Amino acid sequence: GQNIDQPTEMTATEGAIVQINCTYQTSGFNGLFWYQQHAGEAPTFLSYNVLDGLEEKGRFSSFLSRSKGYSYLLLKELQMKDSASYLCAAMDSNYQLIWGAGTKLIIKP
Amino acid sequence: GAVVSQHPSRVICKSGTSVKIECRSLDFQATTMFWYRQFPKQSLMLMATSNEGSKATYEQGVEKDKFLINHASLTLSTLTVTSAHPEDSSFYICSARVGAESETQYFGPGTRLLVL
Repeated sequence: GQNIDQPTEMTATEGAIVQINCTYQTSGFNGLFWYQQHAGEAPTFLSYNVLDGLEEKGRFSSFLSRSKGYSYLLLKELQMKDSASYLCAAMDSNYQLIWGAGTKLIIKP
Repeated sequence: GAVVSQHPSRVICKSGTSVKIECRSLDFQATTMFWYRQFPKQSLMLMATSNEGSKATYEQGVEKDKFLINHASLTLSTLTVTSAHPEDSSFYICSARVGAESETQYFGPGTRLLVL
């Protein structure tokens, strides 16, 4: 079957760095997405990886290892506004997104 | 670019009534639109996939006669919750992508439905 695993909740300190891991199993693979979702709002796109390696975009970076079925989202210089849920989603061979349950990130001062 | 709107953003209705939610791609043509439902503290659950001009494909467990989807144009899809009940209260989110093999989905802001 198809499955996405990510931690339910993480806590970090303002100004620090946090890494949110995601493992996936899908029927075929057409890329890995990370979305940010603030409470009561729709998800917003953060990153897309389809090749192995690290993609850096400002304070946020995303890494993919296709052979390991593994990705992580790295957030640097954490700000209070980064408190949100972070959703990992893998795209299968039919270009359908398989969603993880999301990781709730709590930022403490 | 790639803006998706939803209307209404919030709706409260009585049990037994029907509610229509619109999803529009404002600056691009969306070949495919998706309808998701999200209950509190849970992840997105795909309800159905709709392609312009054809019938929607519903996920297992989603009643197609209860959740009517119409994708009449490349910029508009509608979801009608018929005979709504309190258990249908949820956050409904649409997303759109440009082509069948396009990677990124662009999400609308969501519609919060409360059925009394």
